[in-house]
Amino acid sequence: EAGVAQSPRYKIIEKRQSVAFWCNPISGHATLYWYQQILGQGPKLLIQFQNNGVVDDSQLPKDRFSAERLKGVDSTLKIQPAKLEDSAVYLCASSFGTSSNIQYFGAGTRLSVL
Amino acid sequence: GQNIDQPTEMTATEGAIVQINCTYQTSGFNGLFWYQQHAGEAPTFLSYNVLDGLEEKGRFSSFLSRSKGYSYLLLKELQMKDSASYLCAVRDRSDYKLSFGAGTTVTVRA
Repeated sequence: EAGVAQSPRYKIIEKRQSVAFWCNPISGHATLYWYQQILGQGPKLLIQFQNNGVVDDSQLPKDRFSAERLKGVDSTLKIQPAKLEDSAVYLCASSFGTSSNIQYFGAGTRLSVL
Repeated sequence: GQNIDQPTEMTATEGAIVQINCTYQTSGFNGLFWYQQHAGEAPTFLSYNVLDGLEEKGRFSSFLSRSKGYSYLLLKELQMKDSASYLCAVRDRSDYKLSFGAGTTVTVRA
């Protein structure tokens, strides 16, 4: 079974530039999550989708971050404009349902903002 | 909300046993997860506890005491490949969201 795919693996940008990350969840998984993991910290949930609808985006800085999952499968997370404090690993995870036990994670995109 | 605490670092010798503790405070508990994360890789699921007691899975075991807000992950017969960060995560009863601790970096030495 293929896992959660993310791209790119690494991205370096300058502050005020924009960047986008892509995630392809495990086939059949209705729920998709984006997490931000700052060095030395645990993952923090940014946004959760159920199919193509947003379930929770309370921790998403909406003035600069946006995410979509138009067809209920792939998802993109965008940052515009980026700030230095956005340097982190952005992890995508998926699960079969919202109340399912296990979230499966992708390897993440490591973003460095200079 | 959740407040999750776990030690920052632990070091142990190959073949030994290490116990990683996790304490939590939550407004609504719906399970505790342990994930393993090697540097630069995805967190991978290790164990899930929702009832009190010990869950054993090969060399890894996880324990939960809901009344004490306490869990531990026990790694036996340590191998070099066990060097990684171990994340404790608590799921909220109302919205099923996971809240993660900062992780415990385990270093296994020969």
